[in-house]
Amino acid sequence: EAGVTQFPSHSVIEKGQTVTLRCDPISGHDNLYWYRRVMGKEIKFLLHFVKESKQDESGMPNNRFLAERTGGTYSTLKVQPAELEDSGVYFCASSHLSGRSYNEQFFGPGTRLTVL
Amino acid sequence: AQTVTQSQPEMSVQEAETVTLSCTYDTSESNYYLFWYKQPPSRQMILVIRQEAYKQQNATENRFSVNFQKAAKSFSLKISDSQLGDTAMYFCAFMKGLGTNAGKSTFGDGTTLTVKP
Repeated sequence: EAGVTQFPSHSVIEKGQTVTLRCDPISGHDNLYWYRRVMGKEIKFLLHFVKESKQDESGMPNNRFLAERTGGTYSTLKVQPAELEDSGVYFCASSHLSGRSYNEQFFGPGTRLTVL
Repeated sequence: AQTVTQSQPEMSVQEAETVTLSCTYDTSESNYYLFWYKQPPSRQMILVIRQEAYKQQNATENRFSVNFQKAAKSFSLKISDSQLGDTAMYFCAFMKGLGTNAGKSTFGDGTTLTVKP
């Protein structure tokens, strides 16, 4: 079974440009989460999709960030325009949706974003 | 809101020895899960061990075990017989079990562990 994949693995852009990150969850996982780790600090939650719906977007830092999950499969996270403080590693995770209170989250390898 | 604190940014251990990584957390929730994740250099983050808050027995997975002190809100990871492949960044994480925002994880800053030959 393929794991969570993310593309690209690295992205270097200039301040003011636009970047789109992609996450492909494990097939059949309805839950999809975006996290990011900035400046070597803790990994912080950005948002949570259940299928194509945004369940919780309380961690999105500002309106320069737009996440979508059309069709409930892969998700994209667009940063427009990028700022220096957006540099960091962006992780995606997915899990099953079920009646159980716990479902293991599987993480992707992350996308390292550098804004110059 | 939940917080997770890892007070050891870096640690090292000799191969075959035992090392303990510290983690404390703060929450008002009664139903939650605690995790240790491992992220080797340039590789994917994987789950090492999980503890359900309602279980008194400490979780163990082969060479990995936890010391879960619920009253003290402490959740340390012990790695026995350390191996070179254990070199990685280790993250402690909290997940609320029920209700709003269940499934959303809160992480600590991470501890970089180096196993020396």
